Amino acid sequence: DGGITQSPKYLFRKEGQNVTLSCEQNLNHDAMYWYRQDPGQGLRLIYYSQIVNDFQKGDIAEGYSVSREKKESFPLTVTSAQKNPTAFYLCASKNRGPSSGANVLTFGAGSRLTVL
Amino acid sequence: RKEVEQDPGPFNVPEGATVAFNCTYSNSASQSFFWYRQDCRKEPKLLMSVYSSGNEDGRFTAQLNRASQYISLLIRDSKLSDSATYLCVVNPFGNEKLTFGTGTRLTIIP
Repeated sequence: DGGITQSPKYLFRKEGQNVTLSCEQNLNHDAMYWYRQDPGQGLRLIYYSQIVNDFQKGDIAEGYSVSREKKESFPLTVTSAQKNPTAFYLCASKNRGPSSGANVLTFGAGSRLTVL
Repeated sequence: RKEVEQDPGPFNVPEGATVAFNCTYSNSASQSFFWYRQDCRKEPKLLMSVYSSGNEDGRFTAQLNRASQYISLLIRDSKLSDSATYLCVVNPFGNEKLTFGTGTRLTIIP
């Protein structure tokens, strides 16, 4: 079955450490996204990528980095520069294009990061 | 003004009742609109797209009011399983960036 796989599901990190969250999709989607969700809050866009080897900052990119070397993969690194990294991280993908159907996001199950 | 705004609730509704909530958006040029459902500690999942003419899927009806810049979601004959957070999603710029509302929390009471 096609879908998005995020790993790890739970991650604990000490302050000052970088961590990388994996996101892999087999939906053949061009666009991929990383969102952050804090308790009781909506989703905030960190980074997104429309094609391989290209990505754009979202609304809260500071302290994060991404790469898009392959169409199916969009890993997110949470660096030590991110001051409040404890959150639920969601990866999503979709087809590109103006139609309503092309704008439907499919999400992975999420990665829950806790900084100790 | 936020790009997308929702009443956070919570809405506590008895089983079998009808409930409706709205979502307002600031960019009049917004092109695509969606409702997603998110269960506690899970990922959001598409509930339905919102079309200009309004659309219905079983007990769920979505409507778009471009003049007043809001979309609505109506749930009829609510079930316990409808308890979740409902997220409004808008594509405000006609590009690949979608904006989420903060969500409306709904609890159906037996």
